[in-house]
Amino acid sequence: LAKTTQPISMDSYEGQEVNITCSHNNIATNDYITWYQQFPSQGPRFIIQGYKTKVTNEVASLFIPADRKSSTLSLPRVSLSDTAVYYCLVGDKGGSYIPTFGRGTSLIVHP
Amino acid sequence: EAGVVQSPRYKIIEKKQPVAFWCNPISGHNTLYWYRQNLGQGPELLIRYENEEAVDDSQLPKDRFSAERLKGVDSTLKIQPAELGDSAVYLCASSKRGGTSRDGELFFGEGSRLTVL
Repeated sequence: LAKTTQPISMDSYEGQEVNITCSHNNIATNDYITWYQQFPSQGPRFIIQGYKTKVTNEVASLFIPADRKSSTLSLPRVSLSDTAVYYCLVGDKGGSYIPTFGRGTSLIVHP
Repeated sequence: EAGVVQSPRYKIIEKKQPVAFWCNPISGHNTLYWYRQNLGQGPELLIRYENEEAVDDSQLPKDRFSAERLKGVDSTLKIQPAELGDSAVYLCASSKRGGTSRDGELFFGEGSRLTVL
């Protein structure tokens, strides 16, 4: 049973806000939600992590509803350089945590 | 601070040949991971080390794959003999557990792309 479900791909245009939603219906009480970004020929890179409500950093915002069964990564005013694959992971940050990646969401930003 | 270093970046071999990948994690990171990433797929965990100990290797094909992490620092992943289906990018990552808001954050190397002919 997949821990997370994301759209396979999304398209957007420069300057628009992009929201990528991840479903994690079986999230456990101790699980955190973490998003990674991966450019071609590079390893994934951490973007943001949260447990509940809203988290914002210099790159993105993460919205988590009260039931925590989904989360939305929000990228404000995307540029061509935001074209990448975005992965949503859930897991306990404790010693037994095994970061498991799905297929991710391939975001293409058009001029 | 230096990131995770992997070598070689690219390797082309014929099937049945051996190949080895090397990883130097970020200094002080006690957890090291090897992932395999096929084209169009997300990274798949092969093995995870806590210091010198392999704590999760259930996805490692042990008939041909082996890994070691001597002294709890550098790690080597070996395939012998390689098969056509082993063509993929092999990613190494490290992390450090400690009470920060980004606890458990993975830092990846650029990966080693293997092509088996």
